[in-house]
Amino acid sequence: QKEVEQDPGPLSVPEGAIVSLNCTYSNSAFQYFMWYRQYSRKGPELLMYTYSSGNKEDGRFTAQVDKSSKYISLFIRDSQPSDSATYLCAIQTGANNLFFGTGTRLTVIP
Amino acid sequence: ETGVTQTPRHLVMGMTNKKSLKCEQHLGHNAMYWYKQSAKKPLELMFVYNFKEQTENNSVPSRFSPECPNSCHLFLHLHTLQPEDSALYLCASSPGTSGGETQYFGPGTRLLVL
Repeated sequence: QKEVEQDPGPLSVPEGAIVSLNCTYSNSAFQYFMWYRQYSRKGPELLMYTYSSGNKEDGRFTAQVDKSSKYISLFIRDSQPSDSATYLCAIQTGANNLFFGTGTRLTVIP
Repeated sequence: ETGVTQTPRHLVMGMTNKKSLKCEQHLGHNAMYWYKQSAKKPLELMFVYNFKEQTENNSVPSRFSPECPNSCHLFLHLHTLQPEDSALYLCASSPGTSGGETQYFGPGTRLLVL
């Protein structure tokens, strides 16, 4: 079983739609939860970082963590063509090892 | 830009060649990482260096040889690679190796082994 499971998509939505991206994980020792965004021909860049269960909002982005279900989500409101990228969830224990999902490729159509 | 640079950005090599990938960070970080990113697979951690000392080798074949001369520079020396080694090789850095430390990635080197 993989440490982190993520639907690879691809996912296509019209501009202005709400996007929901999800990951599940198996290890209850995971403590830190991140979403990275990776544009074509670029490295991943940190988008959202959460530590505890609950919601964290940053502009049009909301990260949600449910530790009891081992489930994390990223919501994008009012999606824009510039949001077209691959979104990677990454989860970390108290040590520094990051476990990544496979990434979900998102296309926002104008 | 994240402050982590990688050269070259693209590399094509034969199976008998020897080449090196270079990573440089000017963020004042003490930890540096090499990852391999292949299509439809999660990022695979290859090596971790903290204060120039290798702290993790994730069962990487010996045809990949890392070198970290100082906290700012990281190399990945390649020799007698296989076609299945073709991938995007990403370098990252972080302030340290404690839990919760954000890792900053470079743009990667796209490697093709013929």
